[in-house]
Amino acid sequence: GDSVTQMEGPVTLSEEAFLTINCTYTATGYPSLFWYVQYPGEGLQLLLKATKADDKGSNKGFEATYRKETTSFHLEKGSVQVSDSAVYFCALSDPGFQKLVFGTGTRLLVSP
Amino acid sequence: GAGVSQSPSNKVTEKGKDVELRCDPISGHTALYWYRQSLGQGLEFLIYFQGNSAPDKSGLPSDRFSAERTGGSVSTLTIQRTQQEDSAVYLCATRLAGSSYEQYFGPGTRLTVT
Repeated sequence: GDSVTQMEGPVTLSEEAFLTINCTYTATGYPSLFWYVQYPGEGLQLLLKATKADDKGSNKGFEATYRKETTSFHLEKGSVQVSDSAVYFCALSDPGFQKLVFGTGTRLLVSP
Repeated sequence: GAGVSQSPSNKVTEKGKDVELRCDPISGHTALYWYRQSLGQGLEFLIYFQGNSAPDKSGLPSDRFSAERTGGSVSTLTIQRTQQEDSAVYLCATRLAGSSYEQYFGPGTRLTVT
């Protein structure tokens, strides 16, 4: 079945550092790809998405590009802030019922 | 309210009891999903509703789990004869019809089975 693999955390960075969180997927068909974020004490929020190969999703300074050839959707940000500390989930949705398949989540800790 | 709401926010129950978890979707969202977030299993899909019907129940872990949706709106997830391994945060998400729309998540119900 479909699956998502993302890097283990926690990822610990200093403010203004460059962030990469790796995500790869296995899927039949052509899924849409997502990054969701869960801030401490809050619910899951969509951060960005890409619906087809070579699409780039972006939001709040975060970017990810749908790479079909490497089945990847790595999350990047050029300069992280303390407020970016959260758990980040990579996910895909099947073209049919759109149910989400999540990776295990990566906790990001940003220190001042 | 404007978002997905879930109740209760926390539920502590004794092993063997039945529990009901409720999800109130965003008005007009015809697609509704239940997920479970637990330490051992991460975030996993349970069931999908389109309107009142559930074309995908493939994630329900056992026949102790069931869900229904009435009036194309409120959904209830029922767990019978709860076990300790049912302890998790149960999340509801809803979406407008159409593949390009995102899922909006509720705050979840934290279930603890003692």
